Amino acid sequence: KAGVTQTPRYLIKTRGQQVTLSCSPISGHRSVSWYQQTPGQGLQFLFEYFSETQRNKGNFPGRFSGRQFSNSRSEMNVSTLELGDSALYLCASSLGHRDTNTGELFFGEGSRLTVL
Amino acid sequence: GDSVTQMEGPVTLSEEAFLTINCTYTATGYPSLFWYVQYPGEGLQLLLKATKADDKGSNKGFEATYRKETTSFHLEKGSVQVSDSAVYFCALGGSNYKLTFGKGTLLTVNP
Repeated sequence: KAGVTQTPRYLIKTRGQQVTLSCSPISGHRSVSWYQQTPGQGLQFLFEYFSETQRNKGNFPGRFSGRQFSNSRSEMNVSTLELGDSALYLCASSLGHRDTNTGELFFGEGSRLTVL
Repeated sequence: GDSVTQMEGPVTLSEEAFLTINCTYTATGYPSLFWYVQYPGEGLQLLLKATKADDKGSNKGFEATYRKETTSFHLEKGSVQVSDSAVYFCALGGSNYKLTFGKGTLLTVNP
């Protein structure tokens, strides 16, 4: 069974530009989450989607947005990039059952964004 | 809100040494607890998990016990190998559709 696939793996942008990252979850998984990983802040939760609905959002500015499609694939977008947005962006998928504690997440290898 | 505190390291050990990485948490309700591992250049992989108090998670020689009375989930391994060198993250999962992670502990095992 294929794992979580993230594209692109590496990208370089300049300040003020925007970027779109893509995530294909494991087949059958309906929940997709996004995390930002930096050396200073560690792993920070961005948002989680289930069946095209955002169920939770982390403490990030409105420049960070996401969406999920009917096939469970997800994209996240960062507009007006800042130097501090340089990070590894990790996507994770899970079955996403309701009314239970967040369970095991399956992570992709990440998209490493460098903002110059 | 939920939070996880783990010893940040880095931790450097010789092969076959005993490993402990401490993790404590603050949460409302009864969270699930996890240890994830990140090898260089890769995403996170689940190492082990425990879903209720007194559960012991184990995998690849690693163990951790969910201690509600001390709000802890310490990771242990009796004899580490060079291949265990990685960053280890303690995490908790509540009813809010997200995992809350500790800062991570870099482990280096020397031959």
